[in-house]
Amino acid sequence: EVVLTQSPGTLSLSPGERATLSCRASESVRSSYLAWYQQKPGQAPRLLIYATSSRATGIPDRFSGSGSGADFTLTISRLEPEDFAVYYCQQHDYPSFTFGPGTKVDIK
Amino acid sequence: HVQLQQSGPGLVKPSQTLSLTCALSGDSVSSNSGAWNWIRQSPSRGLEWLGRTYLRSTWYHDYALSVKSRITINADTSKNQFSLQLNSVTPEDTAVYYCARDTWARFDYWGQGALVTVSS
Repeated sequence: EVVLTQSPGTLSLSPGERATLSCRASESVRSSYLAWYQQKPGQAPRLLIYATSSRATGIPDRFSGSGSGADFTLTISRLEPEDFAVYYCQQHDYPSFTFGPGTKVDIK
Repeated sequence: HVQLQQSGPGLVKPSQTLSLTCALSGDSVSSNSGAWNWIRQSPSRGLEWLGRTYLRSTWYHDYALSVKSRITINADTSKNQFSLQLNSVTPEDTAVYYCARDTWARFDYWGQGALVTVSS
């Protein structure tokens, strides 16, 4: 099973700042099967990015994804107040899916 | 617009069976492009994928190794819904359970989530 590790565990930033979140896999992941989610308290996760760098429907362009192999990155170019949340990466290696432990982006 | 609506008991006794249902609107459980998943989330285990079912000329089922001996996921085409059964539950199965659609390995629509507590 592919294990995903996310860093940092918590990122404390101010609105308007840039956030860079890392996701590292225990082995190489198909880039078409790497996704990112945002979760706010009491809500289900929401798909942000799929296939490493494609934004899901309705996701603003301040969110971007990149990476390949075993190293992937989610970047939020300028944090808006509604972006403070927990972010998870997820991969698919048939037949299994795994999620990372999450990075919490909180207000500094 | 795709919507997934979960239902089921919030309290299950140890050793019994956890049963949840996810009703679909805006898509068909018989779709040849979607797959129908159950995912749970707990403080100790994080987000954990449990399994899925999907139709590609025949029905397929994929299950996580951690629960493979205890889980069944089925689709009911007449009601356009799918279900989760998890047998022999213990307090470690206490979690928020989500149903979700995956297309091309990404979970694009989720149910609202349901806390299931395993306790006597």
